[in-house]
Amino acid sequence: EAGVAQSPRYKIIEKRQSVAFWCNPISGHATLYWYQQILGQGPKLLIQFQNNGVVDDSQLPKDRFSAERLKGVDSTLKIQPAKLEDSAVYLCASSRIRGAGEQYFGPGTRLTVT
Amino acid sequence: AQSVTQLDSQVPVFEEAPVELRCNYSSSVSVYLFWYVQYPNQGLQLLLKYLSGSTLVESINGFEAEFNKSQTSFHLRKPSVHISDTAEYFCAVSDFSYNTDKLIFGTGTRLQVFP
Repeated sequence: EAGVAQSPRYKIIEKRQSVAFWCNPISGHATLYWYQQILGQGPKLLIQFQNNGVVDDSQLPKDRFSAERLKGVDSTLKIQPAKLEDSAVYLCASSRIRGAGEQYFGPGTRLTVT
Repeated sequence: AQSVTQLDSQVPVFEEAPVELRCNYSSSVSVYLFWYVQYPNQGLQLLLKYLSGSTLVESINGFEAEFNKSQTSFHLRKPSVHISDTAEYFCAVSDFSYNTDKLIFGTGTRLQVFP
């Protein structure tokens, strides 16, 4: 079974530029999560999808961050415009059954904003 | 709101010595508890989980954790560590009494095993 795929693995941009990250969850997993992991901290949930609907986006900075999962499979997270404090690793995770607890994480995208 | 506290940011230990990584969570009616491990430049991997049943849970590589409801703790232990156990360990809780089943993570404990 293939794991959660993410791309790119690394990205360096200047502040005020835009960037997009892509995630393909494990096949058959209905729930998809985007987490932000700032250096020295634990991951923090940005947004959770159930199929193509948003379950929780309470911690997503909606003035600059957006995410979509149009067909209920892969997902894109966008930042526009980026700020220095957005430098972090962006992790995508998926789970087969919502509420069952176990989430499978991708390798992450390391974003550096200069 | 649910929160997780990992009391030690770094734990240095010699190879073959025992280790305990501490984790406490804020009280809630029902929780799932997890330990995830993150090796350098890799994503998070599930190490072990407590959903229900026996309060002592074990991983395939010798780690174990015990759910203690009265102390709201889920400490991770290993009787004899190996160099390859060097990694960042994250404790997490999922509070399924709310609409979302998001994971709330602690700040992590870096385990450094020396030869």
